[in-house]
Amino acid sequence: QKEVEQNSGPLSVPEGAIASLNCTYSDRGSQSFFWYRQYSGKSPELIMFIYSNGDKEDGRFTAQLNKASQYVSLLIRDSQPSDSATYLCALLWGSNYKLTFGKGTLLTVNP
Amino acid sequence: DAGVIQSPRHEVTEMGQEVTLRCKPISGHNSLFWYRQTMMRGLELLIYFNNNVPIDDSGMPEDRFSAKMPNASFSTLKIQPSEPRDSAVYFCASSLGLPPTDTQYFGPGTRLTVL
Repeated sequence: QKEVEQNSGPLSVPEGAIASLNCTYSDRGSQSFFWYRQYSGKSPELIMFIYSNGDKEDGRFTAQLNKASQYVSLLIRDSQPSDSATYLCALLWGSNYKLTFGKGTLLTVNP
Repeated sequence: DAGVIQSPRHEVTEMGQEVTLRCKPISGHNSLFWYRQTMMRGLELLIYFNNNVPIDDSGMPEDRFSAKMPNASFSTLKIQPSEPRDSAVYFCASSLGLPPTDTQYFGPGTRLTVL
């Protein structure tokens, strides 16, 4: 069974700060990792994915992957109240392209 | 584009009744996924189709659940008979191809309550 662990939070940060969201996983064979954002009562939407060790930046978002330590993180710079949502980490495993999701971390950005 | 369309948006039914959830993927997308989300278990993949063919149904909880995709523009998820523990939000998602190269776009979900 592929496990994806996330701190459920809530994680509370002030507006303008850096929010750091973390995810650990159990399967060393996992190759690709995804971050989704889900607003309350809405459907998940993809923020970014990463498959190489190191950092990947997209605007205010940076995904960091460390396969040796089996963790992936998402940094949100200059956090805005509109970033308040649940962030889901997901990994891709197996030849059938199945995504396994963590339960998500609730982020609250305070004005 | 209208995005992924799901119906109904809300469904309240009594234990033992049959429930059918419907999904229309984004036009031109070849892959379709059914997920279930609960507080306890999070977001779980139930089944996915590629070119209308079921590829992996290992996430389907039990024989009470069945899914079909008769054509490229329509899929159903049926629960018969329904039980209170089936209460959840059911999402349908579609993508042009398969991950990781192709993004999954989620529909708005169907909130199912089984009394």
